[in-house]
Amino acid sequence: QQQVKQSPQSLIVQKGGISIINCAYENTAFDYFPWYQQFPGKGPALLIAIRPDVSEKKEGRFTISFNKSAKQFSLHIMDSQPGDSATYFCAASMYSGGGADGLTFGKGTHLIIQP
Amino acid sequence: GAVVSQHPSWVICKSGTSVKIECRSLDFQATTMFWYRQFPKQSLMLMATSNEGSKATYEQGVEKDKFLINHASLTLSTLTVTSAHPEDSSFYICSAARGTEAFFGQGTRLTVV
Repeated sequence: QQQVKQSPQSLIVQKGGISIINCAYENTAFDYFPWYQQFPGKGPALLIAIRPDVSEKKEGRFTISFNKSAKQFSLHIMDSQPGDSATYFCAASMYSGGGADGLTFGKGTHLIIQP
Repeated sequence: GAVVSQHPSWVICKSGTSVKIECRSLDFQATTMFWYRQFPKQSLMLMATSNEGSKATYEQGVEKDKFLINHASLTLSTLTVTSAHPEDSSFYICSAARGTEAFFGQGTRLTVV
C-alpha cells in the first residue's frame, strides 16, 4: 500500500518558470511533511518541511502548499534554474513524542530545468 | 542544517562476505537513526529504525539477521550486511533524527560481485 503518492514522475520546465510537484497522503496520523532534493549518487537533502497547522510555508524560491482536508501538499519552485535539476521526493512521518518516525517517501519526481 | 556522515561512500565486496557501513551525526546527538535502501531510479525504502541502547526495529520483509544494526552511541549507528549476495547491491542511506527533522548521510553504494 503506497501511503504517499507523488506526481508527476518527471517534469521539464523552462528556466525562470515555476515547477510544481504534488503529493497526496492517506494516513491522517502523519503530521510532518518534508520535501527532499537528491542529486545522483548523493543522499537526500532537506529542502523545506511543513506541519499540518499551517497551509503554506515559503523559504526563498521554495513554497509548500498544504491542504489538510484534501490530504494533499505540493512543492512550488519559483524562478526555476538549471541547478534545480534533480530528483525531488515528498515524504511524511508521525512524531511519536519520543522522536521522529521513519519517513514514508513518495516515488520521486525527476525535474529537468531547460536553459 | 545538521551534518550526518556516512562511510564508506562506496564499497565492492565478494559474495559471502560481510560489509559494515557507518553513520555518524557530527554536530548533534541522535537517539534515533534510520537506514534506507534505494534501488536505481527508485524511491527510498525504510529498512529499520535504530535506537541508541536498544534493539533496532525492522520493517516488514527486512531480514534482521542479514542486516545487523548497532546503535552504540548517540552519534554512531552501523549497518552490517552479512553474507552479502549480488541482490544486496544497492544504495544504502542513513538518516539521523533531530526532533522531527531527518538529516541524511551521503549514502553508500554497495556492489556485491
